[in-house]
Amino acid sequence: NAGVTQTPKFRILKIGQSMTLQCTQDMNHNYMYWYRQDPGMGLKLIYYSVGAGITDKGEVPNGYNVSRSTTEDFPLRLELAAPSQTSVYFCASTQGGAKDEKLFFGSGTQLSVL
Amino acid sequence: RKEVEQDPGPFNVPEGATVAFNCTYSNSASQSFFWYRQDCRKEPKLLMSVYSSGNEDGRFTAQLNRASQYISLLIRDSKLSDSATYLCVVIFTASKLTFGTGTRLQVTL
Repeated sequence: NAGVTQTPKFRILKIGQSMTLQCTQDMNHNYMYWYRQDPGMGLKLIYYSVGAGITDKGEVPNGYNVSRSTTEDFPLRLELAAPSQTSVYFCASTQGGAKDEKLFFGSGTQLSVL
Repeated sequence: RKEVEQDPGPFNVPEGATVAFNCTYSNSASQSFFWYRQDCRKEPKLLMSVYSSGNEDGRFTAQLNRASQYISLLIRDSKLSDSATYLCVVIFTASKLTFGTGTRLQVTL
């Protein structure tokens, strides 16, 4: 199993550009999450999904969109990149919800918006 | 008051020392608690779950105090390889996970 795979690892965007961060998992997990981590800060939840076709906002959803057409994939879309979206983005998954199970994280995407 | 608070450190300790971190949380209805380890520029990885009865994994001991609403992590006989940031995670529901900002540990020779 590859676990949780995120692409790209690094990306530089200009203000106003758009991009999609890809996240896929091969563990048949129901729950998937997108977090961002700013320097010296904890992880903040952007969006999450409890299964294919179901998504919901987290703590900091503004400026982002997600979709979950399959169990495996949970892409994160930035439509109009802003400098405030410069951060490290982590995708994570767990089978039945993180209450009792560990989160499996992808290796992260370092995004800079200039 | 923040939902989850941690002392950011850094904690600089010599090899072999014992070091303890605390993490306080504000929501008394929180259900599950974990410690994660994060190396520089890497993804967080689960270190251990935290239970009221306490749990131990080798040199690491985690404890939950529900009455005072904090969790703790004790590392005995610190190794250089323990140098990392330690994140506490407090879970209210499957979608309501709150990460602390992390406590940075630097173990030196």
